[in-house]
Amino acid sequence: ETGVTQTPRHLVMGMTNKKSLKCEQHLGHNAMYWYKQSAKKPLELMFVYSLEERVENNSVPSRFSPECPNSSHLFLHLHTLQPEDSALYLCASSQGPSGGGRTQYFGPGTRLTVL
Amino acid sequence: GQQVMQIPQYQHVQEGEDFTTYCNSSTTLSNIQWYKQRPGGHPVFLIQLVKSGEVKKQKRLTFQFGEAKKNSSLHITATQTTDVGTYFCAGIKNSGGSNYKLTFGKGTLLTVNP
Repeated sequence: ETGVTQTPRHLVMGMTNKKSLKCEQHLGHNAMYWYKQSAKKPLELMFVYSLEERVENNSVPSRFSPECPNSSHLFLHLHTLQPEDSALYLCASSQGPSGGGRTQYFGPGTRLTVL
Repeated sequence: GQQVMQIPQYQHVQEGEDFTTYCNSSTTLSNIQWYKQRPGGHPVFLIQLVKSGEVKKQKRLTFQFGEAKKNSSLHITATQTTDVGTYFCAGIKNSGGSNYKLTFGKGTLLTVNP
């Protein structure tokens, strides 16, 4: 599947680094999501963008900063992360302004390791 | 807040045996979705259930939504090695107006011994 792409696929960064994760969807959807997937924990919804407007922010620390410049692209800017932020970061998209109740299409994820 | 509990956390079966995973919500759901994530992969949508008591089948997979719309199950008949992966349920609750909240369970990791 190439409907939702994410880059990079793997990222290792130090706690003082600044990096960005990129997500692009080619499905014509208008809602995009960032999820965090850690070992032994449920998928955690981080941010939801609908029509390029942030509609949900689930108490995510400010060291994670999302950006949605248009309906096809979503970024997650990272700075001064902690080792416990190491996880698989998944991007997803869906059709519909609310996103809920619609099928979510996931990207392959970025495996992030914070040293 | 809304919680979605999924059991078991792990299940190992011999090829040809059946498998069931259960999902329970602390609140009534609008609908529920099921996803499968292969090892090293990403979640892939399987199905959505909307109606109370709904049952849907996809080949060897049977999905059920409880009458009270608070629980769901996924049953696989005669498992195959291709069924290996983590199965997630995701409960959807109408949180007001057109806003919906999607909450994932922790998933059940299925391994199949050939």
